[in-house]
Order: sequence, then structure tokens, then C-alpha cells
Amino acid sequence: DAMVIQNPRYQVTQFGKPVTLSCSQTLNHNVMYWYQQKSSQAPKLLFHYYDKDFNNEADTPDNFQSRRPNTSFCFLDIRSPGLGDAAMYLCATRGLSETQYFGPGTRLLVL
Amino acid sequence: GENVEQHPSTLSVQEGDSAVIKCTYSDSASNYFPWYKQELGKGPQLIIDIRSNVGEKKDQRIAVTLNKTAKHFSLHITETQPEDSAVYFCAASNPSNYQLIWGAGTKLIIKP
Repeated sequence: DAMVIQNPRYQVTQFGKPVTLSCSQTLNHNVMYWYQQKSSQAPKLLFHYYDKDFNNEADTPDNFQSRRPNTSFCFLDIRSPGLGDAAMYLCATRGLSETQYFGPGTRLLVL
Repeated sequence: GENVEQHPSTLSVQEGDSAVIKCTYSDSASNYFPWYKQELGKGPQLIIDIRSNVGEKKDQRIAVTLNKTAKHFSLHITETQPEDSAVYFCAASNPSNYQLIWGAGTKLIIKP
């Protein structure tokens, strides 16, 4: 039973062409995170939502934006993808405890 | 800010032997330490975690130990199997905002 779902699992886009990645959860957690992960490095936090409150990490490029229309869904928008944005994008959720639960990730390829 | 160091970066063990991965943290206020297993092409999966009021926790072949005084914690996997091959990440939770500070990861290779 999938709890954090990410679609699509693989996404190919062209240099400069906007792309949206999606995440949904069935855990009813109030916190949702977006991470970027490159080449088996540790995940790097891009931003997170605490309910509808958006929190951006200081070094997250302006090219990355996010939307959370309701508790279950969260989107990552990359306005003008560059070659350096090719990575695995991970969505995670957290409820009342400290534990974060991750989705399977979306692998983004930029041509 | 918090810093987490993880060693070794690569660990190769014979199937059936034990594997130990070690992490140290810098912020003595950190009080939650999860371990994630990440298989190729998949998201991180929580395998075990420990809170600072406990010194050891065990779940079948996996155990985690925590030394608060020395600020280090370790993952122990006994009777390793081929399916244990993966990248393992330790992390420490920032107690003020619950954000995870990650170690650099350990690639565990189980030799048949």
C-alpha cells in the first residue's frame, strides 16, 4: 500500500522547457518536503510545507517553485530546467513525530 | 549548525558476516537519529531509528547503538544477505525544526 506516491517515476524534458513533478500522500501528514538527490549523494532539501506555510531553503534556486493545493498533494515546478537540474527528486512527509517517509522518487532527465 | 559525518563511504563484506556503519554528529541537542536504506533507483526507506533516551534498539538482524556523550551512533547488520546491498544514510534531526541533517552515505556491498 503506497503511502507517498510520486508521478511520473521518470521524466524527460528539454533544456528550458517547464516541467512539473507531483507527489501525493495517504498518510494525512501535515508536513511535506521536496528534496533533490544527485548520484548517490545525500538528499538536499529544497523546501517544505507545514500545512500551507511554505518554507524555502536559502540556497534553493529561484528556478524551483512549489504548490500545495491541499493536504494530500504537492507539486514541484521547475520553470526553466538546465542540465544541472537532472537529478532524482524525492518527496517526503512527516506527521507529528520526527520520522520522514519518502516516496519512490522521480528521475528527471534534461536533454 | 549540525554536521553529521558517516564512515566508511564504501563497505564490502562477505555474505553472512556483520556490517557496521558509524556516524558522528555535532549538535548535542539532536535527539532523533534515523537510518535509511536506499536501493538503486528507489527512494530512501526508513529501516530503524533511535531517540536520545535509548542507548540501543534492535529489529531482527538490524541494530542501532547511540552514545550521547561521544555523540556517535552506529548501524549494525548481522548475517548479511545479498538483498542488504544498498546505500545506507544516517541522519540527525534538528530538534528546533525536525529537519534532517544527513550523513554522506555508505555503499554496502555483500559479496556472495
